[in-house]
Amino acid sequence: GENVEQHPSTLSVQEGDSAVIKCTYSDSASNYFPWYKQELGKRPQLIIDIRSNVGEKKDQRIAVTLNKTAKHFSLHITETQPEDSAVYFCAPPLPKSGGSNYKLTFGKGTLLTVNP
Amino acid sequence: NAGVTQTPKFRVLKTGQSMTLLCAQDMNHEYMYWYRQDPGMGLRLIHYSVGEGTTAKGEVPDGYNVSRLKKQNFLLGLESAAPSQTSVYFCASSYSAQALTDTQYFGPGTRLTVL
Repeated sequence: GENVEQHPSTLSVQEGDSAVIKCTYSDSASNYFPWYKQELGKRPQLIIDIRSNVGEKKDQRIAVTLNKTAKHFSLHITETQPEDSAVYFCAPPLPKSGGSNYKLTFGKGTLLTVNP
Repeated sequence: NAGVTQTPKFRVLKTGQSMTLLCAQDMNHEYMYWYRQDPGMGLRLIHYSVGEGTTAKGEVPDGYNVSRLKKQNFLLGLESAAPSQTSVYFCASSYSAQALTDTQYFGPGTRLTVL
């Protein structure tokens, strides 16, 4: 969606290296910041999320950091493994203009390839 | 507990034909969604429903209709299929009844080709 930008669009790393994917959103009223992983031919699945009252959340090798001032949040994967190879999407709900409803917008995705 | 299921898994249509995609969830979720996924475009929301009997338009609703007659089912209809509707369609559901700030659970997808 035009209000969500995800970078990079592709990322190739060596096994064991770290990977960072960044998602920039347009509206400071957003308050929920999830990351989804989609393996080839499979369905997207939530891997980690964060809400606006915290700045960082970790779950084993993955972490999400939030910078509300700069309006971006990032996915960090450490000690990457071949099974981390997938497309990763951010999906912050963005407030609709003029109301309290939100609209769902997914980033265009980042293809991560972890080379053995 | 099957989660979110979709039927059919694959379908080939000719231009102008109609079809209905069925999504079912057994998690008692309030919200249900239909997305399409095209290469380089990510996931785009077609329609969604915030509860039984209600539907709303998403980002790309043209050419599609939906119905939510039962809480557990969300149907996506194509009245007159066009080649531009060739895509992978994903259904999803979430528990939350507010602000869309909840985990979405996706179905396995339906690969549709329109010739």
